[in-house]
Amino acid sequence: DAGVTQSPTHLIKTRGQQVTLRCSPKSGHDTVSWYQQALGQGPQFIFQYYEEEERQRGNFPDRFSGHQFPNYSSELNVNALLLGDSALYLCASIYGAENNYGYTFGSGTRLTVV
Amino acid sequence: DAKTTQPPSMDCAEGRAANLPCNHSTISGNEYVYWYRQIHSQGPQYIIHGLKNNETNEMASLIITEDRKSSTLILPHATLRDTAVYYCIVRVANEKLTFGTGTRLTIIP
Repeated sequence: DAGVTQSPTHLIKTRGQQVTLRCSPKSGHDTVSWYQQALGQGPQFIFQYYEEEERQRGNFPDRFSGHQFPNYSSELNVNALLLGDSALYLCASIYGAENNYGYTFGSGTRLTVV
Repeated sequence: DAKTTQPPSMDCAEGRAANLPCNHSTISGNEYVYWYRQIHSQGPQYIIHGLKNNETNEMASLIITEDRKSSTLILPHATLRDTAVYYCIVRVANEKLTFGTGTRLTIIP
């Protein structure tokens, strides 16, 4: 049973560019959350998608946007990249937006902005 | 902000039980206690969660005090592969995960 898969695994972008990261949730999961993890810090919540809508959002600027597709996969888009956007971006999935069970995380996309 | 307090680091001898404490003195009645761990360069891994009662699964045991203001994650027979950062999180069912800085557990051969 495949877990959460994220692509690409590594990415290098230049300041000002735009980037799209992709996530396929674990089989049977319909809710996807995105997190940003800077070096040496815990993951920080960006937003959550359920039924193709953004349900919750963390303290991130509008440069960060997302989408969820009918097959529950999701994309994270970041516009006008800043050096400070360099981080590990994690996708997590769960069944149901109000499920109290544990999330399954992917291995992340390491984004480097130069 | 994270609602939990954990020691920044701990060591444990291989084969011994690792006991990781967590304080959550402001926990509310409908908040669960979750534990995740993150091995270097990987995504966090769910370990266990509980509301009031102690819980055990194939990975670990979770002991929650009667007043629910603190908890302990127990890895019964630590191995080198248990070296990781362990995060204690309190959360209601429809809420995001708020990670703190966690406890860096090092298993010593």
